[in-house]
Amino acid sequence: AQSVSQHNHHVILSEAASLELGCNYSYGGTVNLFWYVQYPGQHLQLLLKYFSGDPLVKGIKGFEAEFIKSKFSFNLRKPSVQWSDTAEYFCAVNPISSGSARQLTFGSGTQLTVLP
Amino acid sequence: EADIYQTPRYLVIGTGKKITLECSQTMGHDKMYWYQQDPGMELHLIHYSYGVNSTEKGDLSSESTVSRIRTEHFPLTLESARPSHTSQYLCASSDRGVGELFFGEGSRLTVL
Repeated sequence: AQSVSQHNHHVILSEAASLELGCNYSYGGTVNLFWYVQYPGQHLQLLLKYFSGDPLVKGIKGFEAEFIKSKFSFNLRKPSVQWSDTAEYFCAVNPISSGSARQLTFGSGTQLTVLP
Repeated sequence: EADIYQTPRYLVIGTGKKITLECSQTMGHDKMYWYQQDPGMELHLIHYSYGVNSTEKGDLSSESTVSRIRTEHFPLTLESARPSHTSQYLCASSDRGVGELFFGEGSRLTVL
């Protein structure tokens, strides 16, 4: 079965620092890729997605992610974080098998704390 | 803003009790899902439905059951709760591809 690894469980940054959260997956075929975010006290929501085309995708609030197929990675980045970015971030992978999307597999999440 | 609601948000019950976690969405989405999440762990899919009268088990084995009698409603039931069922249960829906989900705020269940 496929797996998704988020190696950073907790990241602490100061405001204006740059962010990169790692995400690696194990499926060898075609995939759709996602980052979800959960702000304190709120529900999980989609941050950005990759289906095909330009491997650099941009999401809401200045976030972007780059799909590197050779590395099976989909790392999330932001040049300058804000205190309001404090949240838990989940990477998710949707393998495509026989032309059909299978169910999402989530990573274990990375808790980002931004210090004011 | 997504309109998907879960009740109760928090529930503490004793072993052996029957419980139902409610999930409703007002978006008319055909696809609905239940995920189970423990702190610091992945979300695991336990049930999903692609439409009325259609339910499937997910990747994680669960003793819970679900029903989908109406498009907007996808309740999850535990006939006899045990401490091992203590977890957070997240409901989600989608009208698009499998990966683009709208989540509810979750139901945190504690079984004593």
